[in-house]
Amino acid sequence: AQSVTQPDIHITVSEGASLELRCNYSYGATPYLFWYVQSPGQGLQLLLKYFSGDTLVQGIKGFEAEFKRSQSSFNLRKPSVHWSDAAEYFCAVGGNAGKSTFGDGTTLTVKP
Amino acid sequence: DVKVTQSSRYLVKRTGEKVFLECVQDMDHENMFWYRQDPGLGLRLIYFSYDVKMKEKGDIPEGYSVSREKKERFSLILESASTNQTSMYLCASSLVPGELFFGEGSRLTVL
Repeated sequence: AQSVTQPDIHITVSEGASLELRCNYSYGATPYLFWYVQSPGQGLQLLLKYFSGDTLVQGIKGFEAEFKRSQSSFNLRKPSVHWSDAAEYFCAVGGNAGKSTFGDGTTLTVKP
Repeated sequence: DVKVTQSSRYLVKRTGEKVFLECVQDMDHENMFWYRQDPGLGLRLIYFSYDVKMKEKGDIPEGYSVSREKKERFSLILESASTNQTSMYLCASSLVPGELFFGEGSRLTVL
C-alpha cells in the first residue's frame, strides 16, 4: 500500500531564510509525486510535480523539490521564504487508479 | 488555467436535511473527486468518478452519495445530514493520475 509521511507537523522560519520541508513516500513502482499548498480556508493549489526524468523539479512561487529514489524522499525547498509563503503544505503520491495519497501536512509559519 | 468551481463556500444545515454540494470543472477532465478535510485527520477521499455516470467509493463513503450526469459536473449528496458531517469538503478534477486541481472548498456546518 502506498503511504506518505511528512515528519514535521509545524515549521517556523524567519523571512528571508531558506526552507526545506520533508516528505517520504512508500510506493511499489516509480511514483508520481506532488506538492500542494493550502492557505487558510482555501482549496489546495499544485506547487510542483514529478513524473520522471530530471530529479530536480521547479514549481511555482520559487519552490523546487528533489526526488531521491534511494531515500524514498521528495523534499520541498525554497531559498528565501516570504511572509506570503505561510500556509500548509501537503506532499502526495499519485497511485493506482488515479487515487492519491496525501501526507498529513506541514504548517509553515514565517517570522518577520 | 483549470478552474474548479464549488457552488457554495459556506453552508449551514440542520440534522436530517438533504444537502447537495455541486462542483463544476471547465477543462474536460475525465476524473473528479470529493474529499473531506478535518483537523488532525487530513484529506480523506469520499468518492471519485472516472467518467460520466461512473462512480467509485473512496475511503469514507458512508453517509454520502454522488452523481455525475455530465462530464463537467460532480455532485456530492448527503441524504440525511448529521453533525459528524460538519467539515470542509473539497472537490478536485484531474487528467493525469495524482495531478489534482481543487476548488476553493465548501465549509459545511450541520446543527
